[in-house]
Amino acid sequence: KNQVEQSPQSLIILEGKNCTLQCNYTVSPFSNLRWYKQDTGRGPVSLTIMTFSENTKSNGRYTATLDADTKQSSLHITASQLSDSASYICVVKAAGNKLTFGGGTRVLVKP
Amino acid sequence: EPEVTQTPSHQVTQMGQEVILRCVPISNHLYFYWYRQILGQKVEFLVSFYNNEISEKSEIFDDQFSVERPDGSNFTLKIRSTKLEDSAMYFCASGAQGPATEAFFGQGTRLTVV
Repeated sequence: KNQVEQSPQSLIILEGKNCTLQCNYTVSPFSNLRWYKQDTGRGPVSLTIMTFSENTKSNGRYTATLDADTKQSSLHITASQLSDSASYICVVKAAGNKLTFGGGTRVLVKP
Repeated sequence: EPEVTQTPSHQVTQMGQEVILRCVPISNHLYFYWYRQILGQKVEFLVSFYNNEISEKSEIFDDQFSVERPDGSNFTLKIRSTKLEDSAMYFCASGAQGPATEAFFGQGTRLTVV
C-alpha cells in the first residue's frame, strides 16, 4: 500500500531560525514528490515538485531534497518568518493520476 | 494570478440530501481533480477527470459520487445522498498538463452533514 509518513507531527521555532521537516514514502512506482504548504482552512499551495533525477530544489527560503534510493525527502526552511506558520505536506505521485498525501507537519513560528 | 475557485465556501446539509460542490478550474487547464480532507486527517484523492471522462477514482468515490463538466468552465462534484461521514473539506484542483505536473488547488468547500 502506498504510504507517506512525515515527521515531526508538529514543531515550534523562533522567528529567524531554520528547521527541517522529514518525509518517508513507500510509493511505487515513483513518479514525483511534492511539498505543499497549507494554511488552516485553505487549499494546499505547491512549494516544489521533484522527479527521480533531482536531488535538491529550492524555492526562495524553502529547499527540498530527495533521496530516491532511501525514499526520503526533507524540506528545509531558512530564516523562518511568522508567515511560515502552516502545515507542510509531503505528497508523492505514483503511476496514474493519484497523489498520496502525508499527514503533514504543523509548523508554528513564534516571534 | 489565475486561481481555482470553489463555491460555496461552506455548505451545511441534512443527511440524505443531495449536494453539488462547484469548481471553476484555471481556464487553460485540462486535468481536474477532487480531493477531500476529513477534519484532522490526511488529504485523500477522490477522482481525476480528463477529456470529459473519469480517468481514475479511489475506493472512496462510490456510486454516491459523480463528477461533471457541464459547460466547459465549471467542474462539479455531486454527492447523491449525503452521510454524516461525508463531512469534510472538499478541494478541487486543476493542472495544465498531465498528472505528473503541477496541480493547483482551490480554497476548498467545507461540507457539514447534520
